[in-house]
Amino acid sequence: DAKTTQPPSMDCAEGRAANLPCNHSTISGNEYVYWYRQIHSQGPQYIIHGLKNNETNEMASLIITEDRKSSTLILPHATLRDTAVYYCIVRVANSGGSNYKLTFGKGTLLTVNP
Amino acid sequence: GAVVSQHPSWVICKSGTSVKIECRSLDFQATTMFWYRQFPKQSLMLMATSNEGSKATYEQGVEKDKFLINHASLTLSTLTVTSAHPEDSSFYICSASQGYYNEQFFGPGTRLTVL
Repeated sequence: DAKTTQPPSMDCAEGRAANLPCNHSTISGNEYVYWYRQIHSQGPQYIIHGLKNNETNEMASLIITEDRKSSTLILPHATLRDTAVYYCIVRVANSGGSNYKLTFGKGTLLTVNP
Repeated sequence: GAVVSQHPSWVICKSGTSVKIECRSLDFQATTMFWYRQFPKQSLMLMATSNEGSKATYEQGVEKDKFLINHASLTLSTLTVTSAHPEDSSFYICSASQGYYNEQFFGPGTRLTVL
């Protein structure tokens, strides 16, 4: 079973920030939060991941709550090409844990509207 | 970022035939490769994990004799769907990694249609 909960769909206006929430209340201390997205009929694309600090890269920002039970992926200026299913996944990223697999849930379908 | 390719991108075959799908890591050595499948309107489901030079580990419910996986080199893994049937029609996606716990880079997927 996926260890995360995401809304099934969200809409966003082009040029505005898209904020995608994810709940992971049972996350373990050694598990990271990963975000991938899948554009229709393509393979998933890695976006960002983090442990407890907020992270930012050229694609997005990841805000993780202090208790680590939830996080938000932020696309600062959404474009039409950002329309995709966004997956929030928790997994270990260091040796010693057994949860190295990526377990994809249903994700959030983000539709960016012109 | 790392690039993973798959070939073919789509294939149509007759029921009972076998189909081979290739997954290549183009600019890094992938000690671990993963195979997923995705049915329409559903999420990705992991089928198996393979390490270079060793036998693949299959997920529960995936028939290892039907889905043959070979990971003979650090840049190539193949998935062969043997005696394909219409219910095997799906989107097959591979990912490559430099280890179990390292980041996975995904290929573009192969759409298999069995008539």
